[in-house]
Amino acid sequence: AQSVAQPEDQVNVAEGNPLTVKCTYSVSGNPYLFWYVQYPNRGLQFLLKYITGDNLVKGSYGFEAEFNKSQTSFHLKKPSALVSDSALYFCAVRVNAGNNRKLIWGLGTSLAVNP
Amino acid sequence: NAGVTQTPKFQVLKTGQSMTLQCAQDMNHEYMSWYRQDPGMGLRLIHYSVGAGITDQGEVPNGYNVSRSTTEDFPLRLLSAAPSQTSVYFCASSWSGTGGYEQYFGPGTRLTVT
Repeated sequence: AQSVAQPEDQVNVAEGNPLTVKCTYSVSGNPYLFWYVQYPNRGLQFLLKYITGDNLVKGSYGFEAEFNKSQTSFHLKKPSALVSDSALYFCAVRVNAGNNRKLIWGLGTSLAVNP
Repeated sequence: NAGVTQTPKFQVLKTGQSMTLQCAQDMNHEYMSWYRQDPGMGLRLIHYSVGAGITDQGEVPNGYNVSRSTTEDFPLRLLSAAPSQTSVYFCASSWSGTGGYEQYFGPGTRLTVT
């Protein structure tokens, strides 16, 4: 079955330290992978995506993600965390749905950046 | 551009009542979708549309109806509300359902069914 997993419900990191939010996937064919962020009481916002090309993808707010085909992973990273990065992060993968496509979502990882 | 707008922001219904959650986008996006978000369940797709006049079911469609008469609007109807439909509902849109296009989300509607 096609799926996305975010193995950590919560990640805690000190401000200024690097952060990693993990995502692994299981899909047939070449994956289209996405990261979204949700701040409290807000809708989701797009951060970055991998379609093809360079395995390191750069996105909004200084985030980047590394696509690793052999490990079927797409981990989100940031070199230096900010308190304002505290939010809920979702990984998603595009899958086939009949003649169309849809996104399958991970359950989310809550990131807490401590001052 | 206003992006994706949703109304109302909050709603309380009694079991058995019906209502329509409104969603509109001004980006001329083909693809629109409705999700519900519940604690520990992530986002679950209710219904989606790949263009005006075309809709299809997602993974949790029971109890909900949709229609897409225009490109801009994609209302979600609850026919007979049940406590299990208490959730936060998000509408989203993107250029296409087939490409690797990011989705734009509305601010959400928090629905409580008593």
